[in-house]
Amino acid sequence: DIQLTQSPSFLSASVGDTVTITCRASQGIRSDFAWYQQKPGKAPKLLIYAATTLQIGVPSRFSGSGSGTEFTLTISSLQSEDFATYYCQQFNTFPFTFGPGTKVDIK
Amino acid sequence: VQLVEAGGVGVQPGGSVRLSCEVSGFTFDDFAMHWVRQAPGKGLEWVSLITWDGGGRNYADSVKGRTTISRDNSKKSLFLEMKSLRPEDTAVYYCVKDGNYGPPGYFFDFWGLGTLVTVSS
Repeated sequence: DIQLTQSPSFLSASVGDTVTITCRASQGIRSDFAWYQQKPGKAPKLLIYAATTLQIGVPSRFSGSGSGTEFTLTISSLQSEDFATYYCQQFNTFPFTFGPGTKVDIK
Repeated sequence: VQLVEAGGVGVQPGGSVRLSCEVSGFTFDDFAMHWVRQAPGKGLEWVSLITWDGGGRNYADSVKGRTTISRDNSKKSLFLEMKSLRPEDTAVYYCVKDGNYGPPGYFFDFWGLGTLVTVSS
């Protein structure tokens, strides 16, 4: 199985900050990659797919980059509603796998 | 788009469960569908995929051989039947819509609220 590692596991930030989360794949996955946001007690929400494509309705302060084995999610000007856990996912190879998550908390 | 799961229960190890998901707000038979689960306090695990016509199905190794995914396009419904349940199957099970029209894109653009399956003696 393709393993995904996320860094950092936990991130403390303030409203207005720019934050970056990194996800690394154990082997190359082209751009078959997505980012999700999950708030406590809620279902995950798709933010970005194909590594860089913003899902309809997602604010433009979210952006994704990368291909191959290294990917980043950047949140520019963090808003209060952005405090959540973020997961990466690869869909290059069965079984589809997720990263362990990065929790973004209020400083 | 709405996806509403049902069928989550408490069951003893070795038991079985049948989850269902009714969808609305999109043309069900134009999209592949998935089940994704999340153990309490843990991360996400993809469980199974079914193509729009039911002709293609895939399973995570952790459930393969004791799980069947199915769909009824006439009723806009998705199902997951799991047998020989283990404590490690305890999780919230999400019904999830594939993000690509037609052939699966294998990313997940709409999720249900989930249904909890608890496996415990």
